[in-house]
Amino acid sequence: AQSVTQPDIHITVSEGASLELRCNYSYGATPYLFWYVQSPGQGLQLLLKYFSGDTLVQGIKGFEAEFKRSQSSFNLRKPSVHWSDAAEYFCAVGPGDSSYKLIFGSGTRLLVRP
Amino acid sequence: DARVTQTPRHKVTEMGQEVTMRCQPILGHNTVFWYRQTMMQGLELLAYFRNRAPLDDSGMPKDRFSAEMPDATLATLKIQPSEPRDSAVYFCASDRGQLTEAFFGQGTRLTVV
Repeated sequence: AQSVTQPDIHITVSEGASLELRCNYSYGATPYLFWYVQSPGQGLQLLLKYFSGDTLVQGIKGFEAEFKRSQSSFNLRKPSVHWSDAAEYFCAVGPGDSSYKLIFGSGTRLLVRP
Repeated sequence: DARVTQTPRHKVTEMGQEVTMRCQPILGHNTVFWYRQTMMQGLELLAYFRNRAPLDDSGMPKDRFSAEMPDATLATLKIQPSEPRDSAVYFCASDRGQLTEAFFGQGTRLTVV
């Protein structure tokens, strides 16, 4: 069965510090992977996606993620966090066939210290 | 600026009442998703449609929930009768059906008292 695990419920970082949010997936074939961000009271916005090709993908707002097949991971990174990055981050996987549906992890809430 | 539109944004209703949530997908998108978000369960896929046909509604309680797409510009999610445990934020999303980005609406916050 497809599943996505985000092991960190909360992460707190200082403004200007680097960030890494973890995501592990379980899927039999090559997954299609996404990171979404949700600000309070808002819907989800796509940060970046991986379908194929270069395993290091760049997204909006200075985020990047690296697909590591051997580790079944798709961790999200940012070299320097801004206070406006405080939000909830969701990793998601989609199987890419005709039964495609997006399955989300439980989310990681990012808090940014001034 | 294309966006997914959901109405209403907030709904408070009494237990037992019917609730209808509406979603207008982005023009040209042929896949529509309904998700429910709660603190306990996170984001759960309730149902999704492609070209207005339901592809999977296994995540939806069948006895009280129903989802339809009367036309390409409107998706509805109904709960009848509503129960307090249905209180959640319901999100609609749409995409082109080719693994492109899924765009989310701002959600309908439902409170059943």
